[in-house]
Amino acid sequence: EAGVAQSPRYKIIEKRQSVAFWCNPISGHATLYWYQQILGQGPKLLIQFQNNGVVDDSQLPKDRFSAERLKGVDSTLKIQPAKLEDSAVYLCASSLVDRGYGYTFGSGTRLTVV
Amino acid sequence: SQELEQSPQSLIVQEGKNLTINCTSSKTLYGLYWYKQKYGEGLIFLMMLQKGGEEKSHEKITAKLDEKKQQSSLHITASQPSHAGIYLCGADMGGTSYGKLTFGQGTILTVHP
Repeated sequence: EAGVAQSPRYKIIEKRQSVAFWCNPISGHATLYWYQQILGQGPKLLIQFQNNGVVDDSQLPKDRFSAERLKGVDSTLKIQPAKLEDSAVYLCASSLVDRGYGYTFGSGTRLTVV
Repeated sequence: SQELEQSPQSLIVQEGKNLTINCTSSKTLYGLYWYKQKYGEGLIFLMMLQKGGEEKSHEKITAKLDEKKQQSSLHITASQPSHAGIYLCGADMGGTSYGKLTFGQGTILTVHP
């Protein structure tokens, strides 16, 4: 079974620029998550999708962050404009609808904003 | 304050020594997950615990969930340099947090050869 795919692996941008991350979940996993992990801390949930609908985006800074999951499969997370404090690892995860089947994480995208 | 507290925050051990990492919640946990992470990279799944009193082992790593389902421990026997990394506990806290993971702040493990 292929894992959760994320790209790019690394990205360096200047503040006020925009950036986009891509995630392809495990085939058949209805639920997709984006987490932000500032180095030295645990991951924090940004947004949760069920198929192509948003379940929870309460922690997403909507003035600069946006996410979509077209056709209930791939997802993109965008930051526009980026700030220095957005430097973090962005993790995508997917799971089956019923909890207990586990959450599988991708390799992450390490973003550095300079 | 953190919903999920890990201790210690960092740990340095000599190769061959045993060690334990704890994960504590003030709420009942509906699922407790242990992950390992290399600095700046993705999370590698280790184990999932759901039932009070449950214990699981894989190679030299054992994880337990207490009867009240509010605390979990991860124990490594005869540590090796390959065990070095960041250990994260994540939990389904139920209620409005159903179906998503809340994480502890992580424990950084260093193993000296």
